[in-house]
Amino acid sequence: KAGVTQTPRYLIKTRGQQVTLSCSPISGHRSVSWYQQTPGQGLQFLFEYFSETQRNKGNFPGRFSGRQFSNSRSEMNVSTLELGDSALYLCASSLAPGLMTDTQYFGPGTRLTVL
Amino acid sequence: QKEVEQDPGPLSVPEGAIVSLNCTYSNSAFQYFMWYRQYSRKGPELLMYTYSSGNKEDGRFTAQVDKSSKYISLFIRDSQPSDSATYLCANPLGAGGTSYGKLTFGQGTILTVHP
Repeated sequence: KAGVTQTPRYLIKTRGQQVTLSCSPISGHRSVSWYQQTPGQGLQFLFEYFSETQRNKGNFPGRFSGRQFSNSRSEMNVSTLELGDSALYLCASSLAPGLMTDTQYFGPGTRLTVL
Repeated sequence: QKEVEQDPGPLSVPEGAIVSLNCTYSNSAFQYFMWYRQYSRKGPELLMYTYSSGNKEDGRFTAQVDKSSKYISLFIRDSQPSDSATYLCANPLGAGGTSYGKLTFGQGTILTVHP
């Protein structure tokens, strides 16, 4: 079974631009979570989607948004990019939403650099 | 105070050493803990999980939870160069209760096992 895939793997943007990242979950997984990973803050939760609905959101500004499609694929968008948005953006999918013991499977991430 | 705190290291040990990785947590409601391993340029992968107090063993890895001191440990016996990675402790319970799709991670400890 194919794992979580994320595209693109690397991205370079300039301040003020916007960016869209894509995530394809493992087949059959309906929950998709997004995280930002930086050396200073570590892994931080952005938001989670299930059945095209955002069920949970982390403490990030409104410039960070996402959506999920009917096939469970998800995208996240960052508008008006800032230097501090440079990070590894990770997507994770899981099978059984809401269960504490549900395992999240992570993709390889998209490395975003903002110049 | 962060909900999950972890010494980022780095930690460098010789091959064959016993490695101890530690986290502390602040929310006494936390009962379920996970350890993720992240290799360079990859997403995190679940290594093992443990529920409530006590030990859980899986091959060379042992996870331990001490609820009285709010301390989580991961021990690696007979460490190998292939164990070189970042190790992250995580908890699926947010500050407000069950938290869909959200894992709260420690900072991660960078481990290098040299031959």
